[in-house]
Amino acid sequence: QKEVEQNSGPLSVPEGAIASLNCTYSDRGSQSFFWYRQYSGKSPELIMFIYSNGDKEDGRFTAQLNKASQYVSLLIRDSQPSDSATYLCAVTNTGNQFYFGTGTSLTVIP
Amino acid sequence: GAGVSQSPSNKVTEKGKDVELRCDPISGHTALYWYRQSLGQGLEFLIYFQGNSAPDKSGLPSDRFSAERTGGSVSTLTIQRTQQEDSAVYLCASSLRWGGQETQYFGPGTRLLVL
Repeated sequence: QKEVEQNSGPLSVPEGAIASLNCTYSDRGSQSFFWYRQYSGKSPELIMFIYSNGDKEDGRFTAQLNKASQYVSLLIRDSQPSDSATYLCAVTNTGNQFYFGTGTSLTVIP
Repeated sequence: GAGVSQSPSNKVTEKGKDVELRCDPISGHTALYWYRQSLGQGLEFLIYFQGNSAPDKSGLPSDRFSAERTGGSVSTLTIQRTQQEDSAVYLCASSLRWGGQETQYFGPGTRLLVL
């Protein structure tokens, strides 16, 4: 069983819509949760970090963490073509080791 | 510097040779991470430094891999006796966490090709 699972997609949404990306993890002791955006041929960039249950909002991005159900999601409101990328979910354990999902490819259609 | 830098940007080597990859983190970032990403794959965590210390080296793929960090700054990842399956992009990231916030930046990566 993989530590972190994501739907590989591709996920397509029209411009202006809400994109919803989901991630589940197997280690109930996971401590921190991250969402990264990675454009093709580029390095990842951190867009959201969350460690408490509930929602965390930053601009058009909202991360939602539910530790009881072991999932973390990312909502992108008012999706733009520039949001088209691969989104990586990662979790860390108490030893600060990172476990990444394989990423979800998002395409925002103008 | 303004960001995380890595060198070399590209490295082609022959199977069996040793290679050394360098990472210069953002000044003041206490945490430093090494990852690798094979073509079309997700990121694989290799090792984490807090200051100069690496609490857990179990993420390193084999004993041919080693890493060190000196002065709480520059880190080097060394791969001895390279194999073709070591070919990947090796990424370094540095981060600073405070008050429930985290800033984390990746370097541009070193593309390693083992022939």
